[in-house]
Amino acid sequence: DAGVIQSPRHEVTEMGQEVTLRCKPISGHNSLFWYRQTMMRGLELLIYFNNNVPIDDSGMPEDRFSAKMPNASFSTLKIQPSEPRDSAVYFCASSLVSGTGSGTIYFGEGSWLTVV
Amino acid sequence: AQSVTQPDIHITVSEGASLELRCNYSYGATPYLFWYVQSPGQGLQLLLKYFSGDTLVQGIKGFEAEFKRSQSSFNLRKPSVHWSDAAEYFCAVGADYKLSFGAGTTVTVRA
Repeated sequence: DAGVIQSPRHEVTEMGQEVTLRCKPISGHNSLFWYRQTMMRGLELLIYFNNNVPIDDSGMPEDRFSAKMPNASFSTLKIQPSEPRDSAVYFCASSLVSGTGSGTIYFGEGSWLTVV
Repeated sequence: AQSVTQPDIHITVSEGASLELRCNYSYGATPYLFWYVQSPGQGLQLLLKYFSGDTLVQGIKGFEAEFKRSQSSFNLRKPSVHWSDAAEYFCAVGADYKLSFGAGTTVTVRA
C-alpha cells in the first residue's frame, strides 16, 4: 500500500514568496495532520483535519499559514509570504480514527523547506 | 494535557550490544503510546504502539517496549543493535487525535 505522499520533498524559496506543500493521505484514512519539525521546537502539530474538516488549528503559527483539505485524498499547506524562520521540515500524516479514540498515525517523508 | 520526556538526548552503543531508550509520560488517563524512528533525511516510521492489553509490545526491526503504569514509562529496548539502527527515536503519547512527542534520542552505533 502507498503511504502518505508529500510534495515537494525539498524546496528552496526566497523570503516573501508563496510556498505550497501538498499531501495525499493513505486511502481510507479519515484524519490528516500537518506537523512541523525544527531543531528548536521539535515536532509540533500545526493543524488537524477529520473527515476533511479542520478540527484544531491552534498550532498554526500565524495568519501567513493556511491549510485546506478539499477532499479526502488531498491537502495543502500554504505559507504566504514565507520568512526565513519558516525553514523547517513539514510532515503530513494520516490515520483512521475510530469511535474509540486514537488511531495509529502514519507519516509522510516530509517536505524540507528552506527560505532564504 | 499530555507530555513526554525522553531524558537521554544522545546515546552511543556498540554494534551487537543491547539498547534501552527511556520514555516517561504524563497523562491523566490510560494513554496510547508510540515509538517512532527517524533516519537522517527521512520521515518518521512507526516502530511499535501500545493501546491496551499486554504491557510488553513487540515491534518491527527487533524492538520491544514495556508499558509500566506505576512508573509512567514506556521504555524501548533492543537486545542486539545493528549499525542500521543509528537514527533518532521519538516516543509519543496520544489522546484522542493529539500526539505529543518527546524531544527525541539520537542513537549512534559504533563498530
